[in-house]
Amino acid sequence: AQSVTQPDIHITVSEGASLELRCNYSYGATPYLFWYVQSPGQGLQLLLKYFSGDTLVQGIKGFEAEFKRSQSSFKLRKPSVHWSDAAEYFCAAMGGNEKLTFGTGTRLTIIP
Amino acid sequence: ETGVTQSPTHLIKTRGQQVTLRCSSQSGHNTVSWYQQALGQGPQFIFQYYREEENGRGNFPPRFSGLQFPNYSSELNVNALELDDSALYLCASSDLYGSGAGELFFGEGSRLTVL
Repeated sequence: AQSVTQPDIHITVSEGASLELRCNYSYGATPYLFWYVQSPGQGLQLLLKYFSGDTLVQGIKGFEAEFKRSQSSFKLRKPSVHWSDAAEYFCAAMGGNEKLTFGTGTRLTIIP
Repeated sequence: ETGVTQSPTHLIKTRGQQVTLRCSSQSGHNTVSWYQQALGQGPQFIFQYYREEENGRGNFPPRFSGLQFPNYSSELNVNALELDDSALYLCASSDLYGSGAGELFFGEGSRLTVL
């Protein structure tokens, strides 16, 4: 069965520190991969996506992600977090028919 | 270019009632997908409509049904509401098979509470 795993339920990072969020997927073939962010009570905003090609992808708000096929991994990174980055982050994979399978999310807390 | 809009934003129903949620897709998009996001969980795929036909369904019972209209807007209907149906319902529009294939644009959701 297709699945996406986000091992970290909650991460706390100091403002200005670097961030890394983990994501692993289990699919028959390499799916399209996405990172979304969700602020409380809001919908989902796309941060970045990987379809093929360069394994390091750049997104909005200073985020980037690295795809590693050998590890079925799609890690999200940011060199220096801001208080406004506090939110829920979802990794998702897409197979056929543009159906997204989401992970359970990682809640990011920023401390001063 | 207008984004994806959903209505209502919040609603409260009681068990056994029926609810209809609405979604206006982004201009130029032909596909609408619906997702259910329970509290503390990731969104779960309910179904997708492409050019007014159901084009894939997740693991949801038949009391979850939908429609897509000629202007590509969509409705999600849930009959015989249960307490576990309480969730944020997200609509996403896309241009399936088009130049923007693979990218979904989400609305802000309709939060349903079932008492």
